[in-house]
Amino acid sequence: DQQVKQNSPSLSVQEGRISILNCDYTNSMFDYFLWYKKYPAEGPTFLISISSIKDKNEDGRFTVFLNKSAKHLSLHIVPSQPGDSAVYFCAASAQRGNNNDMRFGAGTRLTVKP
Amino acid sequence: KAGVTQTPRYLIKTRGQQVTLSCSPISGHRSVSWYQQTPGQGLQFLFEYFSETQRNKGNFPGRFSGRQFSNSRSEMNVSTLELGDSALYLCASSLQSGETQYFGPGTRLLVL
Repeated sequence: DQQVKQNSPSLSVQEGRISILNCDYTNSMFDYFLWYKKYPAEGPTFLISISSIKDKNEDGRFTVFLNKSAKHLSLHIVPSQPGDSAVYFCAASAQRGNNNDMRFGAGTRLTVKP
Repeated sequence: KAGVTQTPRYLIKTRGQQVTLSCSPISGHRSVSWYQQTPGQGLQFLFEYFSETQRNKGNFPGRFSGRQFSNSRSEMNVSTLELGDSALYLCASSLQSGETQYFGPGTRLLVL
């Protein structure tokens, strides 16, 4: 059951432009959302998170937006850099403190061209 | 501080065999979770251990099992391997259950 969906398997953007990665979820009980970045041959690295009490969280070049009514979140990277090229996983949890309900999307491969 | 380490990094087994994967969490982290990653499926939760007790379990058959030792190191065992078990197995640790997880590099298992 794909409760977390990343419908774009890949995305290519030019260096300096904005990258927007999207994620949709179906479980209205999810209240904590995370983005992970994964380079080849490495494990996923935590990037940024957002709680359902917020609709935006910003950390440097990375901003996550949450639209609870649409069950949609997005990760904005601006400006994009070639080092941002990686696979990005969206994750959602129904209750902070319960890893069992943390579901991951299939990932979106971002390529930032110089 | 050293990160999460997993051994071995690569493994080739044949159907019917069993395999044990090892994970050493970040020092001080008490929660260890295991995930299976296959192409197009994202990361699927296997189970979580906290203070040597299995706290949560995902929707995987009983062939998948694990344990955690007093030093928080964890092992995952898969018995009677099937071709579909070929995947990247990732271990993640966190200070407490539900906190941000830090992943190891994974063990890539190929079942022939």
